[in-house]
Amino acid sequence: GAVVSQHPSWVICKSGTSVKIECRSLDFQATTMFWYRQFPKQSLMLMATSNEGSKATYEQGVEKDKFLINHASLTLSTLTVTSAHPEDSSFYICSARNRGQNTGELFFGEGSRLTVL
Amino acid sequence: DAKTTQPNSMESNEEEPVHLPCNHSTISGTDYIHWYRQLPSQGPEYVIHGLTSNVNNRMASLAIAEDRKSSTLILHRATLRDAAVYYCILEYGNKLVFGAGTILRVKS
Repeated sequence: GAVVSQHPSWVICKSGTSVKIECRSLDFQATTMFWYRQFPKQSLMLMATSNEGSKATYEQGVEKDKFLINHASLTLSTLTVTSAHPEDSSFYICSARNRGQNTGELFFGEGSRLTVL
Repeated sequence: DAKTTQPNSMESNEEEPVHLPCNHSTISGTDYIHWYRQLPSQGPEYVIHGLTSNVNNRMASLAIAEDRKSSTLILHRATLRDAAVYYCILEYGNKLVFGAGTILRVKS
């Protein structure tokens, strides 16, 4: 099946620094990617929808200046957590759908675990 | 947002069928019903999805009620590798918004 890869799979950073997480669709093109975050023992929370070549659409309550999303190509979306704080520590997961499909299977990355000290 | 309700947890014996229920009474006519599962520290994995008719694939079957207000994911023979959190999700506007999910435990 189609593969979505995230990098890094885990990262530890100091409070106040910024961290970038990459999400790549390896064998298909994705005009739309989605970013989720997940706290321990909780479900996934949709943060934003990343659209290739345009601005991301953020869910209510998600700070767009805090979580910068860039979708510069059909195979890459990045999430930058700016001025990270310990409460930003979480499991961040991206997903993508094959270009041209408005419904159907969503392919998820392996997730990126962020720990802010 | 269209909402789904699932039992917090269920338990099954290995090699036996498992029926995971989901209620979605506020579903609209164009919402697809998706099922994904997630193992600890991994991204979710697609299981199955459907709109109105029952669906079968190599992993599972999806039975959708006639009024579409509920659905059931059927694992025909549970194995230890099927132990995971199963999410029933309604897709609307191209987005999947996850609910709490059901923790499935499989006993050997």
